Amino acid sequence: AQKVTQAQTEISVVEKEDVTLDCVYETRDTTYYLFWYKQPPSGELVFLIRRNSFDEQNEISGRYSWNFQKSTSSFNFTITASQVVDSAVYFCALSEEEGNSNSGYALNFGKGTSLLVTP
Amino acid sequence: GAGVSQTPSNKVTEKGKYVELRCDPISGHTALYWYRQSLGQGPEFLIYFQGTGAADDSGLPNDRFFAVRPEGSVSTLKIQRTERGDSAVYLCASSSPPGETQYFGPGTRLLVL
Repeated sequence: AQKVTQAQTEISVVEKEDVTLDCVYETRDTTYYLFWYKQPPSGELVFLIRRNSFDEQNEISGRYSWNFQKSTSSFNFTITASQVVDSAVYFCALSEEEGNSNSGYALNFGKGTSLLVTP
Repeated sequence: GAGVSQTPSNKVTEKGKYVELRCDPISGHTALYWYRQSLGQGPEFLIYFQGTGAADDSGLPNDRFFAVRPEGSVSTLKIQRTERGDSAVYLCASSSPPGETQYFGPGTRLLVL
């Protein structure tokens, strides 16, 4: 079963619009971690945020903000006032304490959301 | 400091050949992971090392794939008798300790003709 679902395959917005990328996860562990990574056209995965399951506080970093809701198993990512440089594929990922046997918190990635910001 | 590095950045080989992909993790990182990313997909876990030992190789697709980390730092992913379906980007990540943020290298793009 897919542990991380990113239902939006592609999103296209005009510069300065706000955009929210959805992420829904599935786990039976009580201790787990959620991540967002950005993959620009160059291909390298860039770390954006890590959140542990015990910290439901929303986080803001500049134009980026994250909304973690355990009740709905969601960890959504919002970009405010989007810019062309935000164009990339964004991945949500989950790592579990026990769910993956001894895989050392290996990441389970969603399929990604491709964001295109046009001028 | 230096990030995760991977060599080569691109590798083209013929079906049936043997290839080696190298990963140099962030200095001091004890956990090392290999992932494979096919076009249009998210990365998929292959193998995890804690120190020198492969703690979990459950993601390796078959016995043509093997990885080593003899001195607990650099790791090599080895693919025997390559097939066209092995074509993908192979990503390496490291963290310390396991569970902390994984930082990824630029990947090796493997093309099997």
